[in-house]
Amino acid sequence: NAGVTQTPKFQVLKTGQSMTLQCAQDMNHEYMSWYRQDPGMGLRLIHYSVGAGITDQGEVPNGYNVSRSTTEDFPLRLLSAAPSQTSVYFCASSRGQGAEQYFGPGTRLTVT
Amino acid sequence: KNQVEQSPQSLIILEGKNCTLQCNYTVSPFSNLRWYKQDTGRGPVSLTIMTFSENTKSNGRYTATLDADTKQSSLHITASQLSDSASYICVVSAFYGNNRLAFGKGNQVVVIP
Repeated sequence: NAGVTQTPKFQVLKTGQSMTLQCAQDMNHEYMSWYRQDPGMGLRLIHYSVGAGITDQGEVPNGYNVSRSTTEDFPLRLLSAAPSQTSVYFCASSRGQGAEQYFGPGTRLTVT
Repeated sequence: KNQVEQSPQSLIILEGKNCTLQCNYTVSPFSNLRWYKQDTGRGPVSLTIMTFSENTKSNGRYTATLDADTKQSSLHITASQLSDSASYICVVSAFYGNNRLAFGKGNQVVVIP
């Protein structure tokens, strides 16, 4: 099993550009989530999904969209990148919200 | 609001020495508490999980304790190795709620030879 995969690993965007961060898991997990990690802030939940076709907002959802058309994939879209979105983004999957979270390797995003 | 506080924020220890990391939480109703290890440049990986009825759990040189009455947990690292240099994140889960997980900001541990 590959576990949780994320692409790209690094990305530089200009302010106002849009892009999609990809996340896929091969463990048949129903629950998937996106976090951002900033120095001194810890991991903060952006959006999450409890199954295909169901998504909900987390703690810091503004400026991000998600969709869950399949169990395996959970892409995160930045609509119009801003310097405040410079961060490391982690995707995670699990059997449920309270279960062990399996994290991807992360995407380091810089917005100039 | 469910919260998790970790201390110390960072520490430096000599290789071979022991250290203890602290986690205090106000999550309710409590379901479980996990400690994750995050190496630099990588995603967090689960070390231990503890439920309400457990007060000690070991994973190799890592031993986690839980006091559900005082809502405190600790992670003890025995005979530290250079590979223990990482951030250790305490994550507490509530039994229900839309955003059930509360994350601490992590303890940054640096082991020096």
